[in-house]
Amino acid sequence: KAGVTQTPRYLIKTRGQQVTLSCSPISGHRSVSWYQQTPGQGLQFLFEYFSETQRNKGNFPGRFSGRQFSNSRSEMNVSTLELGDSALYLCASSQGTANNEQFFGPGTRLTVL
Amino acid sequence: AQRVTQPEKLLSVFKGAPVELKCNYSYSGSPELFWYVQYSRQRLQLLLRHISRESIKGFTADLNKGETSFHLKKPFAQEEDSAMYYCALKEGDKLVFGAGTILRVKS
Repeated sequence: KAGVTQTPRYLIKTRGQQVTLSCSPISGHRSVSWYQQTPGQGLQFLFEYFSETQRNKGNFPGRFSGRQFSNSRSEMNVSTLELGDSALYLCASSQGTANNEQFFGPGTRLTVL
Repeated sequence: AQRVTQPEKLLSVFKGAPVELKCNYSYSGSPELFWYVQYSRQRLQLLLRHISRESIKGFTADLNKGETSFHLKKPFAQEEDSAMYYCALKEGDKLVFGAGTILRVKS
């Protein structure tokens, strides 16, 4: 099976812009979770989608949003970018039921100038 | 709030020495704990989970509810074990990660 893929792998934006990141889960996986990884804060949970519905949400401002499509692919959007949004954004997929392992993608490295 | 604490940012050991990466947690229910590893230039991957009670790449971790710990151990470190290790707690459908510990195995 192909692994979790994320596009683009690298992105450079300026403050105030908005950005959309994409995640394609492993075939058959219905749950997609997003995490932000920074040197200062480590890995922090953003949100999780299952069958096109947001099931869980972390403590991030409303500028961070996401959605999931019927084929389980997910997008994450960040509006009005700030310098502090520079991070590696990781996506993970799982079957979405109890005890299922989460498989991580390679991440999208976002740099905000 | 549920928390995962990894007190060491960096652990440096010699090849062949024992390794213990510490992890403490706070959780009000019955915890489900994991160790994830990230090798250089590779994606984050699951190393082991407490419910499996298995040994992966020579690593084991025992859940100690009395001490609220889930330390990762290996009796003899190898150079290829050098990586970033994250302890994580499952809360519903999300993972709460510790800050991570860099393990450096010197020859």
